[in-house]
Amino acid sequence: ETGVTQSPTHLIKTRGQQVTLRCSSQSGHNTVSWYQQALGQGPQFIFQYYREEENGRGNFPPRFSGLQFPNYSSELNVNALELDDSALYLCASSLKGQGFQETQYFGPGTRLLVL
Amino acid sequence: DAKTTQPNSMESNEEEPVHLPCNHSTISGTDYIHWYRQLPSQGPEYVIHGLTSNVNNRMASLAIAEDRKSSTLILHRATLRDAAVYYCILRDSKYSGAGSYQLTFGKGTKLSVIP
Repeated sequence: ETGVTQSPTHLIKTRGQQVTLRCSSQSGHNTVSWYQQALGQGPQFIFQYYREEENGRGNFPPRFSGLQFPNYSSELNVNALELDDSALYLCASSLKGQGFQETQYFGPGTRLLVL
Repeated sequence: DAKTTQPNSMESNEEEPVHLPCNHSTISGTDYIHWYRQLPSQGPEYVIHGLTSNVNNRMASLAIAEDRKSSTLILHRATLRDAAVYYCILRDSKYSGAGSYQLTFGKGTKLSVIP
């Protein structure tokens, strides 16, 4: 069973640029969630994708967008990067339909630095 | 979402039991208590969850107060590998519209294990 993988592991961008982060979900999972984790803080929910559609969103502006593909992998896109976007971006996959018992399995994250 | 309160940090000696507390005084009757932990340089991982009764699994035990306003994660014999940030999270068991079961993380408790 393959776990959740993310690419790239590290990334450096400059203010105003755009970035795409990628996530491959765990085998058998149909849902992907994205989180942003600033240094010293807990992860903050960005959005979730299920059946290739956004299925819930946290308090993030529209310049944060995503995609889910038929194989359940996902991309997180951030436009017009700001310095405060520097963070660890975590992807988590899960199997929807288990309700409150739906366990999320996290990847190792992509560390983004915006200069 | 109902809020949880955890100590910022705790220390334990290796091979001794560790009791990590979590207060959730505004918990509702349909909230499940979930624990995740985040090892250094990794994404969070699921530890355990429960509703009213105490729960055990291979990783830990969860003790829930009778009034459910607090809970304690118990690691029976701390190892160096247990050094991590531990997050206590409440998840509503009611189906909520689009069914987005995101996790709402606080700052968690940073556990240090002393050899």
